Amino acid sequence: KAGVTQTPRYLIKTRGQQVTLSCSPISGHRSVSWYQQTPGQGLQFLFEYFSETQRNKGNFPGRFSGRQFSNSRSEMNVSTLELGDSALYLCASSHSGGRTEAFFGQGTRLTVV
Amino acid sequence: GQQVMQIPQYQHVQEGEDFTTYCNSSTTLSNIQWYKQRPGGHPVFLIQLVKSGEVKKQKRLTFQFGEAKKNSSLHITATQTTDVGTYFCAGATGGFKTIFGAGTRLFVKA
Repeated sequence: KAGVTQTPRYLIKTRGQQVTLSCSPISGHRSVSWYQQTPGQGLQFLFEYFSETQRNKGNFPGRFSGRQFSNSRSEMNVSTLELGDSALYLCASSHSGGRTEAFFGQGTRLTVV
Repeated sequence: GQQVMQIPQYQHVQEGEDFTTYCNSSTTLSNIQWYKQRPGGHPVFLIQLVKSGEVKKQKRLTFQFGEAKKNSSLHITATQTTDVGTYFCAGATGGFKTIFGAGTRLFVKA
């Protein structure tokens, strides 16, 4: 069974640009969650999608958005990038979110210069 | 909003010593999960606890869920160098949102 695939693995962007990250969950998983990981801040919850609907949202500005497609693949978009957006972005897939085991992808390392 | 606090932030131990990390929630949890992230890697699921007072063991690892379902602990007996990494607890309430603690980074000196 293939794991969670995140693309790209690394990105370098300039302040003010926008970026789109992709996550392909494990086959059969309908929940995809996104997290931002920075040193000392742990895993900060961005949002969770289930069956193409955003079910939960963290405390991030509106510049961070996402969506989920009918095949459960998910994308995350960050507009007007700031230096502070530099982080490892992880997505996690699970059967139903919350109460079920989450499988993480390798992450996308975003550097904003 | 819901918060999950985890202590300590860092722990340095000599190989063979025991290690414990604690997790406390501001609200009652429906379940708690534990993950391990090796340096340069991604979080990997270790275990899920659901019942009040539940205790589960995985070889040298012992996981506990508090009676009030607001706290949890992970204890490693006789640490090994392979135990290095960051251990995260993650709590869920009645909904489907999972909140992660900040993690405890374990360093093991051989």
